[in-house]
Amino acid sequence: AQSVAQPEDQVNVAEGNPLTVKCTYSVSGNPYLFWYVQYPNRGLQFLLKYITGDNLVKGSYGFEAEFNKSQTSFHLKKPSALVSDSALYFCAVRVNQAGTALIFGKGTTLSVSS
Amino acid sequence: NAGVTQTPKFRVLKTGQSMTLLCAQDMNHEYMYWYRQDPGMGLRLIHYSVGEGTTAKGEVPDGYNVSRLKKQNFLLGLESAAPSQTSVYFCASSYSEVSYGYTFGSGTRLTVV
Repeated sequence: AQSVAQPEDQVNVAEGNPLTVKCTYSVSGNPYLFWYVQYPNRGLQFLLKYITGDNLVKGSYGFEAEFNKSQTSFHLKKPSALVSDSALYFCAVRVNQAGTALIFGKGTTLSVSS
Repeated sequence: NAGVTQTPKFRVLKTGQSMTLLCAQDMNHEYMYWYRQDPGMGLRLIHYSVGEGTTAKGEVPDGYNVSRLKKQNFLLGLESAAPSQTSVYFCASSYSEVSYGYTFGSGTRLTVV
């Protein structure tokens, strides 16, 4: 069965420090990996995705993520956190097969303090 | 370009009542999805559709029904609401190619008392 794990319910960082939000996945087949962000009382917004090619992908708002096939991970990173980055972050995976849906992790709350 | 629009945004139901949540998209997406979001549970797939006139069950389909009579609309129905269906419901749509991500609506907050 396909699954996504976000091992940390919450990540706390100080503004200006680097941040990492962790994600690991388990799928049979080639994974397509996504990160979404949710601000309070809003829908989910797309941040970035890995389909193929370079293992380091860059996305919106200065975020990037590194795909590591051997560790089945897709961690979200940002070199310098902003207070406005505080939100709920979801990792999701989809296999390369028609008709499949995204499987989401349980989410990680990022809190950036000033 | 409105994207994905969900109506209503908020609703309070009594146990046993029925209601329909409407999702409309104007991006000509083939696929549409209904998820529910509960604290600590992430997003769980209720039902989805890969085209007009087709629907399929997701992870948590019990107590819900769906219909996709038109490509742009995807309806989620609760025939007899239960307190366990208190949740935030999100609709999303996407192109059929698996490399595309989803576009989400802003959600419907449903409380069943």
